[in-house]
Amino acid sequence: NAGVTQTPKFRILKIGQSMTLQCTQDMNHNYMYWYRQDPGMGLKLIYYSVGAGITDKGEVPNGYNVSRSTTEDFPLRLELAAPSQTSVYFCASSYPPKSGASNQPQHFGDGTRLSIL
Amino acid sequence: AQTVTQSQPEMSVQEAETVTLSCTYDTSESDYYLFWYKQPPSRQMILVIRQEAYKQQNATENRFSVNFQKAAKSFSLKISDSQLGDAAMYFCAYRSAPQTGANNLFFGTGTRLTVIP
Repeated sequence: NAGVTQTPKFRILKIGQSMTLQCTQDMNHNYMYWYRQDPGMGLKLIYYSVGAGITDKGEVPNGYNVSRSTTEDFPLRLELAAPSQTSVYFCASSYPPKSGASNQPQHFGDGTRLSIL
Repeated sequence: AQTVTQSQPEMSVQEAETVTLSCTYDTSESDYYLFWYKQPPSRQMILVIRQEAYKQQNATENRFSVNFQKAAKSFSLKISDSQLGDAAMYFCAYRSAPQTGANNLFFGTGTRLTVIP
């Protein structure tokens, strides 16, 4: 089972460059998320999507954009890379939460380590 | 946003011994979910155990169990018979009951567990 697949695993960017972090899942999950993990910190939500064509901001959206044209894919774009965006980025997906039912956990990709120099 | 606090940046345990990792959270909600995730050096985020707030019984998964104290807003993880493979960063996470919006996870800053042979 592939689960959640992120590419690339590592990337070094120069300040001002742009790039897209790819995320795809094969579990037919409606919900998808992008988190960032800074050194010594927990994960923080950047953007999320509850289904194809629907996206919304999380806690730390500045400097990022997303799109969700299909259920499977949820790419994250950095338009003008800044040193503050050096981090490890995680994509996650889940079924819609169901009230009263055993909670659907989020499945995570292996992360993308991004350095901006 | 809900806050999750892990007051132990680092912990160590002798192999085969028991260790308890602490987690507290702040919320005004009555229905929610709590999770412990393990992050080994490979960076994967692996779900260890989950607890629904409406359940009084503490969750257990093999050598892993929780002590959920709802009134105290405490959710500690106990690892029994510690193994070398348990060495990792452990994150406590909170998720609201199903509602419109992100239904994302809020993470603590993590506890790095070292297992001593």
